[in-house]
Parts: sequence; structure tokens; C-alpha cells
Amino acid sequence: NAGVTQTPKFRILKIGQSMTLQCTQDMNHNYMYWYRQDPGMGLKLIYYSVGAGITDKGEVPNGYNVSRSTTEDFPLRLELAAPSQTSVYFCASSYRDRGGEAFFGQGTRLTVV
Amino acid sequence: LAKTTQPISMDSYEGQEVNITCSHNNIATNDYITWYQQFPSQGPRFIIQGYKTKVTNEVASLFIPADRKSSTLSLPRVSLSDTAVYYCLVGDRRDSSYKLIFGSGTRLLVRP
Repeated sequence: NAGVTQTPKFRILKIGQSMTLQCTQDMNHNYMYWYRQDPGMGLKLIYYSVGAGITDKGEVPNGYNVSRSTTEDFPLRLELAAPSQTSVYFCASSYRDRGGEAFFGQGTRLTVV
Repeated sequence: LAKTTQPISMDSYEGQEVNITCSHNNIATNDYITWYQQFPSQGPRFIIQGYKTKVTNEVASLFIPADRKSSTLSLPRVSLSDTAVYYCLVGDRRDSSYKLIFGSGTRLLVRP
């Protein structure tokens, strides 16, 4: 049982480049989330999805896009990368029940230079 | 969306009991209280969840008073490996407007 899998683990981008961070979960969870975490700070919600075909903005969506075509996958797209997007990105998933435990991936460390 | 307030940091020594309190004055009737732990360079990990009174598992206990406006995470006999950031979250994920929002958390340092 793999849980939540994120790829890649590390990436260096040049300013203006684009990339997609991949996230896959094998727990049949309804809800999926993308967060970013800057050094020494808490997690900020970028986008989330309550099911396939449904996505919504979180706290810091600017500069990012998401899609949810299947229950398992929730990729995060960065267009025109900027140094301010240098961060660690975490994907998470959970069931849609009351407090439901969320499971997190191991993160993608992204550096934009 | 219920906002939570936690101390920014706490210090303790190995073997002591640590209690971290979270304030959530605007908690709604259907909201659950959930605590997560995060080690450096890792994603948060679920510790414990409760609705009222007391919940205990192999890792921690969660105390929730009758008015549910606060909660206390209790870590018995901490060790150096309990040094981490602890987050308190409040919400009802059945509510489609609920977003899993993390606050700043409490940075716990356990000293030898």
C-alpha cells in the first residue's frame, strides 16, 4: 500500500520554466490537497479537490493550476516559475468524513533560480 | 471556518509530560478537533482526533472540555524524537466549504 506518492522529490527550475508536480494516491480518497511550505513556516493550502472533476482555490493559488480527472491523481502545474515559488510542496488526501485523517506525501523540494 | 490559536513554541525535557493547548472559540457543532505532528523535511502525520471529552491512543491523549472552545494535546514522557511541530485543526470535512487549513503550529523542543 503506497499511500500518497509525489514525484519528483527534488527539482531545480529556471525562472520562466514550467513543470508539473505529480501526486497519486491509492486509498480511494475523495479529498486531495496541495500545500506549500516555506522554510520555518507552516503549510499554506494552494488548491484542493473534493472529487474527480471538482477543484477549488486555497489560500495561495496564484501561479498554480490543478486538475482532477481521476480519483487517484491530482497534478499541480506551475506556469512561468518565479523565485517566490521556491518551496517544499506537499500533496495530501483524505476521506470525506467528519474529521477524516489526512495522509501526506513525502514532498517535492522545488528551487527556482 | 473555526480559527485556532496555539503557542508558538514550547520547551521540555526528556521524560516529562507535555501539554499543548489549542484555542478554538468559534468551533461549530459538527466540527472535529484533529492534531498533526510534523518532523523536519517530512509531511505532517495524524496524531489524534476527538469530538468531546477525552480520547487516548498509543501516542497521545486529547482532552476536550464540555464547551469545546479549547483542546489539550498531552504527550506522556516525551523523548528527543518528539521534537517536532504540532498543529491543531478544527473542522467538518463533510462540509464542502471546509478547507484543511494549517495554522502556524507549536514548535516543541525536547531537551536531554
